[in-house]
Amino acid sequence: DAGVIQSPRHEVTEMGQEVTLRCKPISGHDYLFWYRQTMMRGLELLIYFNNNVPIDDSGMPEDRFSAKMPNASFSTLKIQPSEPRDSAVYFCASTLDRRNTEAFFGQGTRLTVV
Amino acid sequence: AQKITQTQPGMFVQEKEAVTLDCTYDTSDPSYGLFWYKQPSSGEMIFLIYQGSYDQQNATEGRYSLNFQKARKSANLVISASQLGDSAMYFCAMRENYGGSQGNLIFGKGTKLSVKP
Repeated sequence: DAGVIQSPRHEVTEMGQEVTLRCKPISGHDYLFWYRQTMMRGLELLIYFNNNVPIDDSGMPEDRFSAKMPNASFSTLKIQPSEPRDSAVYFCASTLDRRNTEAFFGQGTRLTVV
Repeated sequence: AQKITQTQPGMFVQEKEAVTLDCTYDTSDPSYGLFWYKQPSSGEMIFLIYQGSYDQQNATEGRYSLNFQKARKSANLVISASQLGDSAMYFCAMRENYGGSQGNLIFGKGTKLSVKP
């Protein structure tokens, strides 16, 4: 398996534009997590899914952020409209539904909003 | 309230010496897992070691060991014989297995380790 695949790796956009980040989890994994990493706040959990169903989205900063998982092999994180304070590295991770298994991370998407 | 606390923003260690990175956690879930990840300057997240809440023995993986003290709710990472390549950010994480947030994976703010030659 190629691991968790995120796209794009880098995104530069203007304030007010819509941004869509994509994630392909490892095949067979039941859980998918979206994180945001900044120097100030560290690694924040935004939302996670179990079997394509959102379980906890309390980490989503505001209504400008939305996430979907239409099937087991694809998830998106959308920001509309984007703001400069959204600039961060966004990670997607997936794991099996077993207690002792680690989460595997994608390479991350570095988002810059100017 | 923070569920994972890493009190050391930065640490220095001399090459070939051992170092302990602190992690305390907070949960009322009787079943949970504790993880440590390494993030080098290149940015990827690398899994290092896992400890289950019911595991009787401390986990070990090569030069990494986890000093698990359940009563104190601490899960410190010990790196023996530090190498220059160990310089990185280290994150402690917890996954709860029951309750409304079953399966979530929460991270601490990390500790930046610098290994001096």
